[in-house]
Amino acid sequence: NAGVTQTPKFQVLKTGQSMTLQCAQDMNHNSMYWYRQDPGMGLRLIYYSASEGTTDKGEVPNGYNVSRLNKREFSLRLESAAPSQTSVYFCASEKPPPGELFFGEGSRLTVL
Amino acid sequence: RKEVEQDPGPFNVPEGATVAFNCTYSNSASQSFFWYRQDCRKEPKLLMSVYSSGNEDGRFTAQLNRASQYISLLIRDSKLSDSATYLCVVKGSSNTGKLIFGQGTTLQVKP
Repeated sequence: NAGVTQTPKFQVLKTGQSMTLQCAQDMNHNSMYWYRQDPGMGLRLIYYSASEGTTDKGEVPNGYNVSRLNKREFSLRLESAAPSQTSVYFCASEKPPPGELFFGEGSRLTVL
Repeated sequence: RKEVEQDPGPFNVPEGATVAFNCTYSNSASQSFFWYRQDCRKEPKLLMSVYSSGNEDGRFTAQLNRASQYISLLIRDSKLSDSATYLCVVKGSSNTGKLIFGQGTTLQVKP
């Protein structure tokens, strides 16, 4: 029973490179989220998907794109990585009734 | 102004102490409120939901004040294992609203 699986767990990029963070959940949840966490900043919402095929911007969407092609998967893409995107990224899915988030283990990204 | 604000602390308390955290939110239409716990940059986990009537789970009590737009978490008889970051989470004005986190309050319980 995997829950929420994120890959990769660690990644080092050079400025300007692109990459995609993958997230998949096996709990049949509709809503999925991508957050980033920086020291002292808590979790900030990047993008949100209420259901398959829909996405919505969060607090800090600039520099990111997302894709929700099916119910299971919600990917986050950095088209041209910048050092300011060095962070820990968490994917989560939301169990109804609203509120309980199940998180992946996080992806630690460093942009040099 | 951030949508959800918390005092980051840290709160340093001795074992057995009672400690309280507050969290304010800006969207008066917010419907649902939660406290999450996060250990050492691991993934956050749900601690408890916050209901209008208040709710208690063992040593933990959560309260909601809609008029003043804040929620609180009270921890009684603190244990060393309570040391963590406590995150306030607010959901928007519908069942499809987004879950927004506060920056977290760090608690360190000392022997």
